[in-house]
Amino acid sequence: NAGVTQTPKFQVLKTGQSMTLQCAQDMNHEYMSWYRQDPGMGLRLIHYSVGAGITDQGEVPNGYNVSRSTTEDFPLRLLSAAPSQTSVYFCASSYPGLAGSYEQYFGPGTRLTVT
Amino acid sequence: QQQVKQSPQSLIVQKGGISIINCAYENTAFDYFPWYQQFPGKGPALLIAIRPDVSEKKEGRFTISFNKSAKQFSLHIMDSQPGDSATYFCAASMGGTSYGKLTFGQGTILTVHP
Repeated sequence: NAGVTQTPKFQVLKTGQSMTLQCAQDMNHEYMSWYRQDPGMGLRLIHYSVGAGITDQGEVPNGYNVSRSTTEDFPLRLLSAAPSQTSVYFCASSYPGLAGSYEQYFGPGTRLTVT
Repeated sequence: QQQVKQSPQSLIVQKGGISIINCAYENTAFDYFPWYQQFPGKGPALLIAIRPDVSEKKEGRFTISFNKSAKQFSLHIMDSQPGDSATYFCAASMGGTSYGKLTFGQGTILTVHP
């Protein structure tokens, strides 16, 4: 299993440009999430999905769109990039495990810079 | 609003010592409290987790202590090793379909000197 994969690893955008961060998992996990990581702020949830066709907003959803058409893929779209969206983005997947195990598996991250 | 507060921001420990990282939460609906470990350039990885029905959980050198009445929980790393040098995050989530919606603390950079 490849686990959770993210592309690209690095990206530089100009203000106002749009792009899609890709996330895929091959573990048949129902739950998928997008987080952003900024220095001194930990990771903050952007969007969340509990299955194909079902998404929910997290703590910092503004400026980001998601959709979940398949179990495997959960792309994150930036419609009009802003410098405040410069961050490291992590995708994660999880499933309800045995005996209360709720481990989330994180991808390697995408480092995005908006100039 | 930071619902999970973590301290200290950074921690330096000698090899063989005990590392202690503390977290406090506000939302009493939180039902799941994991700790994640992150190495530079990598995604976080689950280290250990606890539910509020127990006060302590131990896995090898790592122990979570949980105080429900004080709304606090902590990570203890016994016999700390240089390989433990990483950033540690506490987190919390509610139950049901929301367990995957983690609220993270700010992170603690741990350095273990040989």
